[in-house]
Amino acid sequence: GESVGLHLPTLSVQEGDNSIINCAYSNSASDYFIWYKQESGKGPQFIIDIRSNMDKRQGQRVTVLLNKTVKHLSLQIAATQPGDSAVYFCAGRAGTSYGKLTFGQGTILTVHP
Amino acid sequence: NAGVMQNPRHLVRRRGQEARLRCSPMKGHSHVYWYRQLPEEGLKFMVYLQKENIIDESGMPKERFSAEFPKEGPSILRIQQVVRGDSAAYFCASSPKSGGWETQYFGPGTRLLVL
Repeated sequence: GESVGLHLPTLSVQEGDNSIINCAYSNSASDYFIWYKQESGKGPQFIIDIRSNMDKRQGQRVTVLLNKTVKHLSLQIAATQPGDSAVYFCAGRAGTSYGKLTFGQGTILTVHP
Repeated sequence: NAGVMQNPRHLVRRRGQEARLRCSPMKGHSHVYWYRQLPEEGLKFMVYLQKENIIDESGMPKERFSAEFPKEGPSILRIQQVVRGDSAAYFCASSPKSGGWETQYFGPGTRLLVL
């Protein structure tokens, strides 16, 4: 079945360092991926997305890389700040299920000042 | 420019009671999605609705759960005869349309506690 999961449940970094959060997916029909940030007590907040016809996309301080060969994507955060501390989820959508996002379990990112 | 709105933010019910969760999508959005999140877990898809239509309910439990998105008013997720296992955070998301590459934007969630 379709699943999206994360390798590392927790990640601790120092302020100013770069962070890399990884995600693996199993459904080769997945054609769209989104990274969300969720702070305690809040809803997921959109960070960046990528379509399956791309292998890299950049935003402000964030980059998403997609490797379809090994069904892996990553989120890179440059110059990580304490305000980046949150749980990060990757989510994927299969082309046959337009409305349904499948979420990974999440990675807890802690940024130390 | 309000985002997705959900109410109530917190809801406490006793076993056997009914829970009604409301979601108002972002302005201009006609597609609504409901997800459930258990503690320390990712979000699990429940249902996808457009105005007056259920498009995909593959994630909805077969009993006690129902959802609607009427022509006027918010989307409602209804849980009848709640049990303790229904305690979770319920999130609503919306998008302007589906298909293509539409991002889903989430509301703050309703945290349901069943005593």
